Amino acid sequence: DAKTTQPTSMDCAEGRAANLPCNHSTISGNEYVYWYRQIHSQGPQYIIHGLKNNETNEMASLIITEDRKSSTLILPHATLRDTAVYYCIVRVALTASKLTFGTGTRLQVTL
Amino acid sequence: DVKVTQSSRYLVKRTGEKVFLECVQDMDHENMFWYRQDPGLGLRLIYFSYDVKMKEKGDIPEGYSVSREKKERFSLILESASTNQTSMYLCASTNLGLVAYNEQFFGPGTRLTVL
Repeated sequence: DAKTTQPTSMDCAEGRAANLPCNHSTISGNEYVYWYRQIHSQGPQYIIHGLKNNETNEMASLIITEDRKSSTLILPHATLRDTAVYYCIVRVALTASKLTFGTGTRLQVTL
Repeated sequence: DVKVTQSSRYLVKRTGEKVFLECVQDMDHENMFWYRQDPGLGLRLIYFSYDVKMKEKGDIPEGYSVSREKKERFSLILESASTNQTSMYLCASTNLGLVAYNEQFFGPGTRLTVL
């Protein structure tokens, strides 16, 4: 699986958009970008994934650059409940292999 | 919604005890995983299972065993608990298929302390 680089921490005001970047310059053509988050003392939660097109679901949007070397997870209206560690993972889909989390980005949403 | 449940949120055991951690999923997933998560070490795979009665070692299987007698249940067993097995234990499940792009669904975790 390709290595990813994320900032260690970020702050965001409640109600504003949270934009979480991820660099994955060694991504291969068959690898997807996945995002998970982990709220304190809970299990990780899947958020979204994409290959090369931008994706949106009820939780977030995922913007992938044209060269696929980086991506941004967007939480459009952050709330206090979005405070968590966010993990960007790059891996091949359609395989039930293990997940490997890096250190992730600790997002703190404040009033 | 997929639901993955774990038998305990918090558990305290003594060194040498046999410990059972249970995980149940309700979405008929074939694949189930046991991870442990420690500060600074991230998520590490202990064992996984692709089907009933089938198991494969992950990265750190030493000191652990597993059991998958039914599709929905995957148990992690610490034969003789040691203090270095104090950790957060996470169970996950996933399904393969044309529409299941390998997102893993996690349980809430069991924080095990071995004294």
